[in-house]
Amino acid sequence: GQQVMQIPQYQHVQEGEDFTTYCNSSTTLSNIQWYKQRPGGHPVFLIQLVKSGEVKKQKRLTFQFGEAKKNSSLHITATQTTDVGTYFCAGTGGSARQLTFGSGTQLTVLP
Amino acid sequence: DGGITQSPKYLFRKEGQNVTLSCEQNLNHDAMYWYRQDPGQGLRLIYYSQIVNDFQKGDIAEGYSVSREKKESFPLTVTSAQKNPTAFYLCATLDPGFGTYEQYFGPGTRLTVT
Repeated sequence: GQQVMQIPQYQHVQEGEDFTTYCNSSTTLSNIQWYKQRPGGHPVFLIQLVKSGEVKKQKRLTFQFGEAKKNSSLHITATQTTDVGTYFCAGTGGSARQLTFGSGTQLTVLP
Repeated sequence: DGGITQSPKYLFRKEGQNVTLSCEQNLNHDAMYWYRQDPGQGLRLIYYSQIVNDFQKGDIAEGYSVSREKKESFPLTVTSAQKNPTAFYLCATLDPGFGTYEQYFGPGTRLTVT
């Protein structure tokens, strides 16, 4: 079945440093979504990417979808303590209604 | 107040007992999902339902059962056949509007079985 791998598993950064998490799928994806889960909370949708090579920005967050639609990345510029949490990618293959989640990257921001 | 309700937030059970986790939504979404999350791992799909009276197994359905008698409700039963039931359980709904298949998550139930 479809597998989505995400690295790194953990990342500690100083406040103000940049952060990137990478996501790779074993199969071509129809689209990819990104979610953020704060400590003790539940995942919250951030964005969806659909097109090959797509790049979207949300303030300090930049999301990319690879040309082959098998990989994606999330880059945060100048991290803040409010960025703390676990970031998950989730891909859809044949059915847009069924997501396969990556294992997540847990981000710690040191003040 | 619109959203997804999961109760209770924390649940403790003895090994060998079945336990049912509640998930209620008032978002009027057709599709509902149950995920399991273990420490340091992503979300794994247990069951999902696209419509009332219909549901499908996800990747890790063994030891779990569900029902979908009402659009608003999708309870999950963790049976005694589930070998490692201690986990964080998340219920979600899907909003397919405007082509963005965003999933909305409830606050989750932390189940501990001893």
